[in-house]
This record gives sequence, C-alpha cells and structure tokens, in this order.
Amino acid sequence: DGGITQSPKYLFRKEGQNVTLSCEQNLNHDAMYWYRQDPGQGLRLIYYSQIVNDFQKGDIAEGYSVSREKKESFPLTVTSAQKNPTAFYLCASSMGLAGGYNEQFFGPGTRLTVL
Amino acid sequence: SQKIEQNSEALNIQEGKTATLTCNYTNYSPAYLQWYRQDPGRGPVFLLLIRENEKEKRKERLKVTFDTTLKQSLFHITASQPADSATYLCALASGEYGGSQGNLIFGKGTKLSVKP
Repeated sequence: DGGITQSPKYLFRKEGQNVTLSCEQNLNHDAMYWYRQDPGQGLRLIYYSQIVNDFQKGDIAEGYSVSREKKESFPLTVTSAQKNPTAFYLCASSMGLAGGYNEQFFGPGTRLTVL
Repeated sequence: SQKIEQNSEALNIQEGKTATLTCNYTNYSPAYLQWYRQDPGRGPVFLLLIRENEKEKRKERLKVTFDTTLKQSLFHITASQPADSATYLCALASGEYGGSQGNLIFGKGTKLSVKP
C-alpha cells in the first residue's frame, strides 16, 4: 500500500528546543518537499529535494534544516532559531520536480505547538 | 514572482447546485495548473491537472477551465453534495515567466460548504 507518512501527528515543544519531524514515502518518488501551513494562509515551501543528498531552500527556510540520506526519507528539524514554529507541517512527494506538471502526494501532516 | 489569488475565502451553496471556484494568477501563464482538495487537519489531495492548451478538463462531477487571456481557472462541482464540503486549493508553477519553471505554489484556498 503506497503512500507517504508523517510522524508524529501532534508534537509539543518547549521554547528553545529543537524538534525533528519524520517523513517517509514508499512511492519511489525522487522529489520531496516540506510545507508549512498557518490558519488562513496558503502552503509555504520550506525545503525541497530532487535527489538523495541534495536539497534546496524554499521561501521560508530560516530556522529549519533537512537531510536526504535515503530516497524514502526527508526529515525536517525545527530549530530554536525559528521564531514562530507553531504551525501545521506537511510533507509531500512527486515523481519529478518539473514545475506544475507532477502532482504532489501529501502526508497527513504534523501539528507542532510550542509551549 | 508569480502570485495566485483565490478570491473567495468561503463559498456557501445549497446541495444540488453547482459550485464555482475561481483562481487567478498574475504573471505569464503557467504550462499547467492543478487543483487540490483539503479536509480539515489533513493533507491536500490532488484532483485535476489542466494544461495551458486545454480549455476544459472533466472528471466525474468536476470540471476545470483554463483561460490564459483572463489569467484564470474556474473549478466547478456540479450536483454538489455535503460531502464536497472542504477547502479547494489551486496550484501552479512559480516561475515569473510562465511555463513549467519553478516550484509549485498554492493559493490560500476557498472553503466550500454545501448545505443539505
């Protein structure tokens, strides 16, 4: 059963702590993405990766870091440098990066709350 | 850079009517435009893709149009049902000069409510 999974579904963090969000896909997709969604806002791109061991900053990368050591996995770390980390985080994947041509498959999301 | 406007934050309609949602963009026309559905607390789900040389695309009760002159896409749901209630997002390539350059960018979405 192919798909994309994210864990945990809910995450609480104290200020000043780093936290890592997991994203795994078994769709054999090359491209993976991390988005942030705030109430009333569209999806904003944090980081994306076209291939293993390579990733690029999106529009709002400050305070975040990623790695792509395996094709299936693209974890996101929210660092203490991120000033307003409370949000809904979505991971997605697609066959390729060609803008607008490839549909994106999304995970169920992780809701991060900073206490 | 390319910008997307979905000019209705919310749309309320009666069951059985046709819902029409609007997506406008600002710069050169993208080669492709996509529509997604998002339910509360869940990730978006892909619905339809339309190419710039296609004026219309249909899938069951869904219909999408793409007018590059107006820089607009319309998304229609015919014979709407309460189960169609969700937020609908349009998405297209972010490249300033159109085509398929750049990453996918998403509109803020239109929240559709279908009342029985």
